[in-house]
Order: sequence, then structure tokens, then C-alpha cells
Amino acid sequence: DSGVTQTPKHLITATGQRVTLRCSPRSGDLSVYWYQQSLDQGLQFLIQYYNGEERAKGNILERFSAQQFPDLHSELNLSSLELGDSALYFCASSVGRRGGGYTFGSGTRLTVV
Amino acid sequence: AQTVTQSQPEMSVQEAETVTLSCTYDTSESDYYLFWYKQPPSRQMILVIRQEAYKQQNATENRFSVNFQKAAKSFSLKISDSQLGDAAMYFCAYRRDPNFGNEKLTFGTGTRLTIIP
Repeated sequence: DSGVTQTPKHLITATGQRVTLRCSPRSGDLSVYWYQQSLDQGLQFLIQYYNGEERAKGNILERFSAQQFPDLHSELNLSSLELGDSALYFCASSVGRRGGGYTFGSGTRLTVV
Repeated sequence: AQTVTQSQPEMSVQEAETVTLSCTYDTSESDYYLFWYKQPPSRQMILVIRQEAYKQQNATENRFSVNFQKAAKSFSLKISDSQLGDAAMYFCAYRRDPNFGNEKLTFGTGTRLTIIP
């Protein structure tokens, strides 16, 4: 157990639907990052939150949004889903300071049918 | 923008032999971190080894070691005494100094390593 918890592990949904992925960071970590990994691809950075505030944005579609709550857990909302959104979505957390480690969750496998 | 390149999509090695995976990166920063992550079939991202750019000494973790050439912007991973459990996708990744406020990881496209019994 890495200490970063992602739920659900698997999700199957239809095109046009909306889903929410949840991430609880490792205890003491203030930063949460979301990454998308399409089939046999590298991980693409989507968005980062630090202590409740958006810190950096990557290649995140307008149909996607995220937030970090006061208890530091984060949710990634994906709406108007398309077949191409099928991917593995990883959450990672870090302390947020120099030298801080970076811990990944086990990912949520999203399949859009 | 920083980029990470892994030019070997696939590699194979005989069990107990040594294999080297290549990675090059592009950055204008002087202070940063480099990582190798392993992704087995379970899809979990597992940190193999990390290197801080300001350290001259190459990092080592048991059978895993790196050859960090800062001037050449090269960061290769050497796996000695390869084991069946080493079979996985290996990703090279770069992270800028977090003091700059953006700590995202930039990943290469990965190298699939096969271990031949």
C-alpha cells in the first residue's frame, strides 16, 4: 500500500456520461497531481492542487475538472465522456517542498463504451 | 518546455545478464530531479531510482544504477543480474525543482523490458 488511495479501481460507463474519480493523498502530503495514461502510452500530466488551490494545469480538456477539498482529498470530474477518454487515471501526492517524495496511487481504469 | 525521450520502445535481456535503458532529456534548468519508474502488468507505478541534478555521484539501488551525464543530458538505467520480476515497462521522468512552484513529472514514452529465461 503506497498510502495514496484511489477509488474506484475500475469504472465502465457509456459515452456522454459523467464520472468522478477520487483520490486520498498520503498522510502529510499537501500536493495532489492527476495524470492520464492511455493504452501503452506515457503518463500525461493533467492538473495539480496544493493545499486546496490549483497550482498547475497541463493538457486537461475543458470537459474535465478537478478540486481539492479541505481534508486534502481530491476529485477529478470527467463529463460528456468519449471513447477516447478510456484510460488509466493516476493520482499522486507529494509533500510539496524541495526534496519531497512523490507517491502514486494504483490508478482508476476508466472504460467508456 | 522540458521533454524526455526514450528511444528504445522495447528491449530484451537474458535472465542474470545486464541491460541498459536509455533516456535523454531537454531542459534549460540547472536544478532538477530525474527518475526511473517501473510499471509491471499490475499497472502500479513503482519508483526504481532517483537522481538529483546537483549531485555528481550516480545513484544506486541494489541491482539498479544510473549513468547520469548532466552536460549530455543523458540518464540511463543499468539493471544488473536481471530477474524475471524485472519484466515491465520502464519510464524515465523529469521534475523541475519544486521551489519554482511546479512539481509535475514529465515522462518519456517508456521502454518495455522483456526478460528471457
